[in-house]
Amino acid sequence: AQSVTQLDSHVSVSEGTPVLLRCNYSSSYSPSLFWYVQHPNKGLQLLLKYTSAATLVKGINGFEAEFKKSETSFHLTKPSAHMSDAAEYFCVVSGSGTASKLTFGTGTRLQVML
Amino acid sequence: SAVISQKPSRDICQRGTSLTIQCQVDSQVTMMFWYRQQPGQSLTLIATANQGSEATYESGFVIDKFPISRPNLTFSTLTVSNMSPEDSSIYLCSVQGARTEAFFGQGTRLTVV
Repeated sequence: AQSVTQLDSHVSVSEGTPVLLRCNYSSSYSPSLFWYVQHPNKGLQLLLKYTSAATLVKGINGFEAEFKKSETSFHLTKPSAHMSDAAEYFCVVSGSGTASKLTFGTGTRLQVML
Repeated sequence: SAVISQKPSRDICQRGTSLTIQCQVDSQVTMMFWYRQQPGQSLTLIATANQGSEATYESGFVIDKFPISRPNLTFSTLTVSNMSPEDSSIYLCSVQGARTEAFFGQGTRLTVV
Protein backbone atom coordinates (compact mmCIF):
# COMPACT_ATOMS: atom_id res chain seq x y z
CA ALA A 1 0.00 0.00 0.00
CA GLN A 2 1.17 3.52 -0.71
CA SER A 3 -0.07 7.01 -0.01
CA VAL A 4 1.01 10.62 -0.05
CA THR A 5 -0.04 13.49 2.12
CA GLN A 6 0.39 17.03 0.99
CA LEU A 7 0.36 19.01 4.16
CA ASP A 8 -0.87 22.29 2.72
CA SER A 9 -3.80 22.70 0.36
CA HIS A 10 -2.84 26.29 -0.35
CA VAL A 11 0.45 28.19 -0.08
CA SER A 12 0.85 31.90 -0.70
CA VAL A 13 4.24 33.57 -1.17
CA SER A 14 5.54 36.87 -2.43
CA GLU A 15 7.48 36.99 -5.65
CA GLY A 16 11.19 36.55 -4.97
CA THR A 17 10.72 34.69 -1.68
CA PRO A 18 11.36 30.98 -1.11
CA VAL A 19 8.80 28.31 -1.83
CA LEU A 20 8.24 25.22 0.32
CA LEU A 21 5.58 22.67 -0.58
CA ARG A 22 5.42 19.78 1.86
CA CYS A 23 4.84 16.13 1.07
CA ASN A 24 4.98 13.02 3.23
CA TYR A 25 4.68 9.56 1.80
CA SER A 26 3.97 6.03 2.90
CA SER A 27 5.05 3.01 0.91
CA SER A 28 5.64 -0.67 1.51
CA TYR A 29 8.37 -0.61 -1.09
CA SER A 30 11.33 1.57 -1.86
CA PRO A 31 9.31 4.23 -3.60
CA SER A 32 9.73 6.42 -6.60
CA LEU A 33 8.51 9.94 -5.92
CA PHE A 34 7.55 12.71 -8.27
CA TRP A 35 6.37 16.28 -8.28
CA TYR A 36 4.05 17.39 -11.06
CA VAL A 37 2.75 20.85 -11.82
CA GLN A 38 -0.57 21.70 -13.42
CA HIS A 39 -1.14 25.20 -14.69
CA PRO A 40 -4.73 26.32 -15.21
CA ASN A 41 -6.33 24.55 -18.16
CA LYS A 42 -3.05 22.83 -18.96
CA GLY A 43 -1.83 19.25 -18.72
CA LEU A 44 0.41 17.79 -16.07
CA GLN A 45 4.12 18.48 -16.34
CA LEU A 46 6.84 16.61 -14.51
CA LEU A 47 8.97 18.88 -12.32
CA LEU A 48 11.32 16.27 -10.91
CA LYS A 49 11.62 12.65 -9.84
CA TYR A 50 13.38 10.56 -7.24
CA THR A 51 14.13 6.94 -8.14
CA SER A 52 16.64 5.79 -5.49
CA ALA A 53 19.64 7.67 -6.82
CA ALA A 54 20.75 10.99 -5.28
CA THR A 55 18.50 12.10 -2.45
CA LEU A 56 18.62 15.74 -3.53
CA VAL A 57 16.85 16.00 -6.83
CA LYS A 58 16.97 19.00 -9.10
CA GLY A 59 14.15 19.68 -11.49
CA ILE A 60 13.05 22.19 -14.03
CA ASN A 61 12.47 25.89 -13.44
CA GLY A 62 14.73 26.00 -10.38
CA PHE A 63 12.76 23.53 -8.28
CA GLU A 64 14.38 20.84 -6.19
CA ALA A 65 13.30 18.27 -3.64
CA GLU A 66 15.06 16.21 -1.02
CA PHE A 67 14.15 12.61 -0.27
CA LYS A 68 14.40 12.00 3.49
CA LYS A 69 13.71 8.38 4.29
CA SER A 70 13.91 8.88 8.05
CA GLU A 71 11.19 11.52 7.85
CA THR A 72 9.30 9.89 4.94
CA SER A 73 9.26 13.29 3.31
CA PHE A 74 9.82 14.68 -0.17
CA HIS A 75 9.35 18.42 0.14
CA LEU A 76 9.55 20.67 -2.90
CA THR A 77 11.51 23.91 -2.69
CA LYS A 78 12.54 26.84 -4.82
CA PRO A 79 14.78 29.67 -3.63
CA SER A 80 12.88 32.47 -5.32
CA ALA A 81 9.28 32.35 -6.49
CA HIS A 82 8.21 33.77 -9.82
CA MET A 83 4.74 34.80 -10.87
CA SER A 84 4.76 32.02 -13.47
CA ASP A 85 5.09 29.44 -10.67
CA ALA A 86 1.47 29.99 -9.65
CA ALA A 87 -0.17 26.62 -10.27
CA GLU A 88 -1.35 23.39 -8.66
CA TYR A 89 1.40 21.03 -7.51
CA PHE A 90 0.98 17.31 -6.98
CA CYS A 91 3.24 15.00 -5.04
CA VAL A 92 3.06 11.47 -6.44
CA VAL A 93 4.35 8.09 -5.26
CA SER A 94 4.89 5.05 -7.41
CA GLY A 95 5.34 1.53 -6.19
CA SER A 96 7.77 -1.02 -7.51
CA GLY A 97 7.05 -3.75 -9.99
CA THR A 98 5.36 -3.78 -13.33
CA ALA A 99 2.10 -2.35 -12.02
CA SER A 100 3.75 0.94 -11.08
CA LYS A 101 0.50 2.55 -10.06
CA LEU A 102 0.74 6.20 -9.24
CA THR A 103 -0.91 7.59 -6.15
CA PHE A 104 -1.49 11.32 -6.22
CA GLY A 105 -1.58 13.68 -3.31
CA THR A 106 -4.49 16.04 -2.97
CA GLY A 107 -2.50 18.92 -4.42
CA THR A 108 -1.16 22.25 -3.20
CA ARG A 109 -2.24 25.44 -4.88
CA LEU A 110 0.64 27.90 -4.99
CA GLN A 111 -0.23 31.56 -5.17
CA VAL A 112 2.50 34.08 -5.93
CA MET A 113 1.87 37.70 -5.05
CA LEU A 114 3.61 40.78 -6.31
CA SER B 1 9.63 10.39 -23.21
CA ALA B 2 6.25 9.90 -24.82
CA VAL B 3 3.88 12.22 -26.59
CA ILE B 4 0.23 11.54 -25.93
CA SER B 5 -2.64 12.95 -27.94
CA GLN B 6 -6.12 12.94 -26.53
CA LYS B 7 -9.35 13.66 -28.33
CA PRO B 8 -11.63 15.47 -27.81
CA SER B 9 -9.99 18.14 -25.69
CA ARG B 10 -13.37 19.16 -24.33
CA ASP B 11 -17.03 18.37 -24.81
CA ILE B 12 -20.41 19.28 -23.44
CA CYS B 13 -22.78 16.33 -23.38
CA GLN B 14 -26.37 15.67 -22.51
CA ARG B 15 -27.10 13.45 -19.55
CA GLY B 16 -27.86 9.87 -20.47
CA THR B 17 -25.53 9.89 -23.47
CA SER B 18 -22.05 8.39 -23.84
CA LEU B 19 -18.73 9.87 -24.83
CA THR B 20 -15.68 8.02 -26.11
CA ILE B 21 -12.28 9.54 -25.46
CA GLN B 22 -9.35 8.54 -27.61
CA CYS B 23 -5.73 8.36 -26.56
CA GLN B 24 -2.88 7.94 -29.02
CA VAL B 25 0.75 7.45 -27.99
CA ASP B 26 3.74 8.04 -30.26
CA SER B 27 5.46 4.83 -29.14
CA GLN B 28 4.45 1.31 -28.20
CA VAL B 29 3.67 0.85 -24.53
CA THR B 30 2.49 -2.12 -22.55
CA MET B 31 0.21 -0.35 -20.13
CA MET B 32 -1.94 2.72 -20.43
CA PHE B 33 -3.73 4.35 -17.54
CA TRP B 34 -6.93 6.36 -17.35
CA TYR B 35 -7.47 8.95 -14.65
CA ARG B 36 -10.31 11.19 -13.59
CA GLN B 37 -9.82 14.62 -12.07
CA GLN B 38 -13.02 15.98 -10.63
CA PRO B 39 -13.34 19.78 -10.28
CA GLY B 40 -10.83 21.07 -7.76
CA GLN B 41 -9.67 17.57 -6.91
CA SER B 42 -6.62 15.42 -7.39
CA LEU B 43 -6.28 12.61 -9.92
CA THR B 44 -7.89 9.26 -9.30
CA LEU B 45 -6.94 6.18 -11.26
CA ILE B 46 -9.91 4.67 -13.09
CA ALA B 47 -8.29 1.67 -14.71
CA THR B 48 -5.19 0.17 -16.24
CA ALA B 49 -5.43 -0.93 -19.85
CA ASN B 50 -3.17 -3.71 -21.12
CA GLN B 51 -3.11 -4.63 -24.75
CA GLY B 52 -4.74 -7.98 -25.36
CA SER B 53 -6.47 -8.33 -22.01
CA GLU B 54 -9.33 -6.87 -20.04
CA ALA B 55 -8.71 -3.59 -18.29
CA THR B 56 -8.18 -3.67 -14.56
CA TYR B 57 -10.50 -1.30 -12.72
CA GLU B 58 -9.88 0.42 -9.43
CA SER B 59 -12.31 0.31 -6.55
CA GLY B 60 -15.36 2.40 -7.30
CA PHE B 61 -15.10 2.11 -11.08
CA VAL B 62 -16.85 -0.53 -13.16
CA ILE B 63 -16.59 -1.69 -16.72
CA ASP B 64 -20.25 -1.01 -17.53
CA LYS B 65 -19.78 2.65 -16.72
CA PHE B 66 -16.26 3.10 -18.10
CA PRO B 67 -15.62 0.53 -20.83
CA ILE B 68 -12.08 0.63 -22.16
CA SER B 69 -10.62 -0.67 -25.38
CA ARG B 70 -6.96 -1.34 -26.09
CA PRO B 71 -6.73 -2.63 -29.64
CA ASN B 72 -2.96 -2.15 -30.04
CA LEU B 73 0.13 -0.91 -28.25
CA THR B 74 -0.30 2.75 -29.16
CA PHE B 75 -4.02 3.40 -28.75
CA SER B 76 -6.78 3.19 -26.17
CA THR B 77 -10.27 4.52 -25.69
CA LEU B 78 -12.30 5.25 -22.58
CA THR B 79 -16.06 5.55 -22.82
CA VAL B 80 -18.07 7.37 -20.20
CA SER B 81 -21.49 5.76 -20.41
CA ASN B 82 -24.94 6.96 -19.44
CA MET B 83 -23.52 10.23 -18.25
CA SER B 84 -24.81 12.31 -15.38
CA PRO B 85 -23.63 15.73 -14.16
CA GLU B 86 -21.49 13.94 -11.57
CA ASP B 87 -19.33 12.67 -14.43
CA SER B 88 -18.24 16.20 -15.25
CA SER B 89 -14.48 15.98 -14.86
CA ILE B 90 -11.19 16.02 -16.69
CA TYR B 91 -10.25 12.60 -17.99
CA LEU B 92 -6.58 11.93 -18.66
CA CYS B 93 -4.70 9.06 -20.17
CA SER B 94 -1.17 8.28 -19.17
CA VAL B 95 1.72 5.98 -19.93
CA GLN B 96 4.68 5.11 -17.77
CA GLY B 97 7.36 2.52 -17.23
CA ALA B 98 8.33 0.80 -14.02
CA ARG B 99 9.73 3.35 -11.57
CA THR B 100 9.81 6.05 -14.20
CA GLU B 101 7.79 9.14 -14.64
CA ALA B 102 4.37 9.17 -16.18
CA PHE B 103 3.46 11.12 -19.27
CA PHE B 104 0.00 12.55 -19.58
CA GLY B 105 -2.24 13.64 -22.35
CA GLN B 106 -3.67 17.14 -22.22
CA GLY B 107 -6.89 15.75 -20.88
CA THR B 108 -10.51 15.80 -21.94
CA ARG B 109 -12.67 18.31 -20.12
CA LEU B 110 -16.15 16.87 -19.95
CA THR B 111 -19.21 18.81 -18.90
CA VAL B 112 -22.51 16.97 -18.57
CA VAL B 113 -25.66 19.07 -18.65
